Amino acid sequence: AQSVTQPDIHITVSEGASLELRCNYSYGATPYLFWYVQSPGQGLQLLLKYFSGDTLVQGIKGFEAEFKRSQSSFNLRKPSVHWSDAAEYFCAVAPSGGYQKVTFGTGTKLQVIP
Amino acid sequence: DAGVTQSPTHLIKTRGQHVTLRCSPISGHKSVSWYQQVLGQGPQFIFQYYEKEERGRGNFPDRFSARQFPNYSSELNVNALLLGDSALYLCASSLRLAGAYTQYFGPGTRLTVL
Repeated sequence: AQSVTQPDIHITVSEGASLELRCNYSYGATPYLFWYVQSPGQGLQLLLKYFSGDTLVQGIKGFEAEFKRSQSSFNLRKPSVHWSDAAEYFCAVAPSGGYQKVTFGTGTKLQVIP
Repeated sequence: DAGVTQSPTHLIKTRGQHVTLRCSPISGHKSVSWYQQVLGQGPQFIFQYYEKEERGRGNFPDRFSARQFPNYSSELNVNALLLGDSALYLCASSLRLAGAYTQYFGPGTRLTVL
């Protein structure tokens, strides 16, 4: 069965600092990988996705993520955080075969301080 | 184009009651999935429907049911509500049942069971 681990429940960074959110997955083959962001009381917005090809993926709002097969990781990065990036971030994995049962991690809550 | 829409936005029910939640997918999307997000956790997969048929089911009791209509909209029904059913219910749509297709999420329906 597929699973996702986000080891950091809560992260605090200063505005303008760099950010890296960790994500590790478990899946028998190469999965489809996603990062979503959720603001309080809102639905999920897709930041970026990896299906195949280039392992460095660019997303919206200046985010990027790198798929590392050897480490089963898909970490999210941003070089300079803005106060508006404060939200909860979810890493997710979907099977590359069969129906789209997307499995989410428990999320990382990002706080941005001035 | 409009995104995924869900109704109602908020709902308050009492234990033992029945609830129906509604979802309209993005135009052209034929697959609809439902997720339950309990406060402080990541979304959990409930169902996926494609072409009006259930194609995938998560680990939820039979009190949860759903259906998809010819226009690809969907309803989620929950019978005999329990306090633990209080959650944000998210609907997601995608073009196809499986493969490299992204699920796009609606804003959710906040269900409170008293």
